[in-house]
Amino acid sequence: ILNVEQSPQSLHVQEGDSTNFTCGFPSSNFYALHWYRWETAKSPEALFVMTLNGDEKKKGRISATLNTKEGYSYLYIKGSQPEDSATYLCALGKAAGNKLTFGGGTRVLVKP
Amino acid sequence: GAVVSQHPSRVICKSGTSVKIECRSLDFQATTMFWYRQFPKQSLMLMATSNEGSKATYEQGVEKDKFLINHASLTLSTLTVTSAHPEDSSFYICSARDRTGYEKLFFGSGTQLSVL
Repeated sequence: ILNVEQSPQSLHVQEGDSTNFTCGFPSSNFYALHWYRWETAKSPEALFVMTLNGDEKKKGRISATLNTKEGYSYLYIKGSQPEDSATYLCALGKAAGNKLTFGGGTRVLVKP
Repeated sequence: GAVVSQHPSRVICKSGTSVKIECRSLDFQATTMFWYRQFPKQSLMLMATSNEGSKATYEQGVEKDKFLINHASLTLSTLTVTSAHPEDSSFYICSARDRTGYEKLFFGSGTQLSVL
């Protein structure tokens, strides 16, 4: 059974503070790790697709790191803003073009 | 950016009726479409993978005769929940991968199905 675990399940952050959360996955048969942001009543939106161990990606105030040997990825939000409030999903792909296995998500609420 | 339009966003139906959910890729050709289901407080669970012009591949435990998937064109895939029962009440969402083969998925906005 392939398990993708995200923690914490939910997070309250004060506006302006930085935060981070984790995605853990089995390190065998790794191909790609995806991060998506899902705002309420909208479609999940791709943030990053990461494939290489040690990879770091950045998009504005959001960045992610990847450790395929130990099976984890961190997502960081710097200087959180209310518009960062969303559920952040990670998903594991085991082969090119293959289906993804999703974690349960981390629900982030940024309080003004 | 690529857009996937999913309709309806919410549907309430009587037990025993069939419900069709549509996903359209508006500005790209979706060679592969994935259908997921999400129960409250759980992960997105893949139900099936459909490739344009061929039969869908269903995940273990998903009844293909109950969840009919059609992917007849590169821009449209449909999921029909046949003879729906209250236990089929769930959130259903589609995602697509475009022809370039780039790995990221483009999602619809989901359909909340309630079967009375």
